[in-house]
Amino acid sequence: DAEITQSPRHKITETGRQVTLACHQTWNHNNMFWYRQDLGHGLRLIHYSYGVQDTNKGEVSDGYSVSRSNTEDLPLTLESAASSQTSVYFCASKGSDEKLFFGSGTQLSVL
Amino acid sequence: KNEVEQSPQNLTAQEGEFITINCSYSVGISALHWLQQHPGGGIVSLFMLSSGKKKHGRLIATINIQEKHSSLHITASHPRDSAVYICAVAVGGGADGLTFGKGTHLIIQP
Repeated sequence: DAEITQSPRHKITETGRQVTLACHQTWNHNNMFWYRQDLGHGLRLIHYSYGVQDTNKGEVSDGYSVSRSNTEDLPLTLESAASSQTSVYFCASKGSDEKLFFGSGTQLSVL
Repeated sequence: KNEVEQSPQNLTAQEGEFITINCSYSVGISALHWLQQHPGGGIVSLFMLSSGKKKHGRLIATINIQEKHSSLHITASHPRDSAVYICAVAVGGGADGLTFGKGTHLIIQP
């Protein structure tokens, strides 16, 4: 069955370190997104991509970057981790029927 | 920017009760999504609708485009329905058009 997977599930890092969160989908979807989820907020869009070599900034993109070298993967990089980036991160993909598929999330703690 | 309001924020009910969760939004949309998130778990898409009503098992979702309002109903609720239910609206086909509500935390007691 097609799926979308995130890794790692949990990550603890130190302030200032570079961190990369992986997202891999086997739906062959062009549209992929990264969100963060924090208490008191709805899911907020960090970056998104409509296809290979396409990346776009979302609502809360500062301090994050993504790359899209193939259809399956959209890794999210925190260039220099900050405590404010402690959050739960979700990757999602969307097919032509507009249905959303989410990964299981990555709990990131920046100490 | 579309504002998405969900009510109630928290809901505790007894097993078997009929549950209604509401979602209101401020700007016209192309589609509305209902999502389910179990504690510590991932997010699952329940429905995507742009008009009318959809049903899947004990779950029913309705939308009134004119009133900018959607409801998610659960019939014969069960403890396994305990989760956070999230409404998200899209103003266009792109990801940048998705705005999420803060979620409704539902607990069904046996």
